[in-house]
Amino acid sequence: EVQLVESGGGLVQPGGSLRLSCVASGFTFKSYWMTWVRQAPGKGLEWVANIKEDGSEKYYVDSVKGRFTMSRDNAKNSLYLQMNSLRVEDTAVYYCARGKFSSTYWGQGTLVTVSS
Amino acid sequence: QSALTQPASVSGSPGQSITISCTGTSSDIGGFNYVSWYQQHPGKAPKLMIYDVSDRPSGVSNRFSGSKSGNTASLTISGLQAEDEADYYCRSYTSSSTLVFGGGTKLTVL
Repeated sequence: EVQLVESGGGLVQPGGSLRLSCVASGFTFKSYWMTWVRQAPGKGLEWVANIKEDGSEKYYVDSVKGRFTMSRDNAKNSLYLQMNSLRVEDTAVYYCARGKFSSTYWGQGTLVTVSS
Repeated sequence: QSALTQPASVSGSPGQSITISCTGTSSDIGGFNYVSWYQQHPGKAPKLMIYDVSDRPSGVSNRFSGSKSGNTASLTISGLQAEDEADYYCRSYTSSSTLVFGGGTKLTVL
């Protein structure tokens, strides 16, 4: 059974940092692009970033470029999102998902709240 | 990276068919056959319903179908059922190698 489990969310002050993790199981992690998607409270889905199977390519939505860094450790079946210089508007549930063009499997999400 | 345009809401009665549109540009929907559709119930993670414009993942009802014409993609749900009531999002690959979602459509089953 494919499982994606996110962790690392929490309350952080504006300007602070947070690192999200996503542990994958039930499939060959190193063979898939992976994606982060977020959803602000009461709002729609927003694609955040994705990363190639070997980590050699990464793409980001303009609003997080230079602040967020996506990475992966295929030996640990793990995906990461390092979030720096956090803003109030980054408050959202962050989902990791499998796939590049479409996302068949999703985690349950982890809530990031940026507030003073 | 402007969001794709979807109607905010659609509604239909049980048994009817509805169509949700998703309009983009030649740099996203019009340029690639990588449109996908997601269903999201309140408090739940999104679920993939359609990928590559018109393909259905295993386990998704054949009442769900997708299509594309020019810069507009569409999701059609036939034989509407109460459990179809949810939010629906389209997503497309873009010429910048990024992806972009639509704003979402709330489907109400009357």
